[in-house]
Amino acid sequence: EAQLLESGGGLVQPGGSLRLSCAASGFTFSAYALSWVRQAPGKGLEWVAAISSGNNRTHYADSVKGRCTISRDNSNSTLYLQMNSLRAEDTAVYFCAKDGYYFDSSFDLWGQGTVVTVSS
Amino acid sequence: QSALTQSASVSGSPGQSITLSCTGTSSDIGNYDLVSWFQQRPGRAPNLIIYEVNKRPSGISHRFSGSKSGNTAALTVSGLQADDEADYYCSSFASGARVVFGGGTKLTVL
Repeated sequence: EAQLLESGGGLVQPGGSLRLSCAASGFTFSAYALSWVRQAPGKGLEWVAAISSGNNRTHYADSVKGRCTISRDNSNSTLYLQMNSLRAEDTAVYFCAKDGYYFDSSFDLWGQGTVVTVSS
Repeated sequence: QSALTQSASVSGSPGQSITLSCTGTSSDIGNYDLVSWFQQRPGRAPNLIIYEVNKRPSGISHRFSGSKSGNTAALTVSGLQADDEADYYCSSFASGARVVFGGGTKLTVL
């Protein structure tokens, strides 16, 4: 069964950093584009970043550009999100999501999410 | 404010058909046939129910159907069931290689 499992969330002070991980299993990890999507408490979904399969091209939402870096380790089937200069508005549940062979928003597999809280 | 516009709530009775709308611009919905719809129940991760405007993933009921006209996409749920009560989000691929989501519609089954 295909699965995604996020980890690395927690409480961090404004200006701090966190590295989220997403361990994949049950599918050919390297063949698919992947994204991070977040959901602030009581709010809707917000796409954060994506990384393609193959050439590992990356894309970012304006809200995190310059502060976040998405990367992948195909040998370990793991997706990462390095988040720096965190702000209160980054507080959210962060989901990793599997896309199709290309980055096209057809997110057909999601993890259960990891909670990031930015507060002093 | 979300990039795509969805009604905050919609309701219907069991057996009825309801349609949820999602309005974007010529930079997203109007320019790409890459609209997806997701169902999210409280405390759970979203679940893909429609992709590429009108395609259903394996295991998704035929009661869910998608369409698009111009800058507006729509999700129709026919034969409404109590189990359909959830939040529904639309998304679209957008210019500049990004994804935009709607603010979500809460579907209540009366």
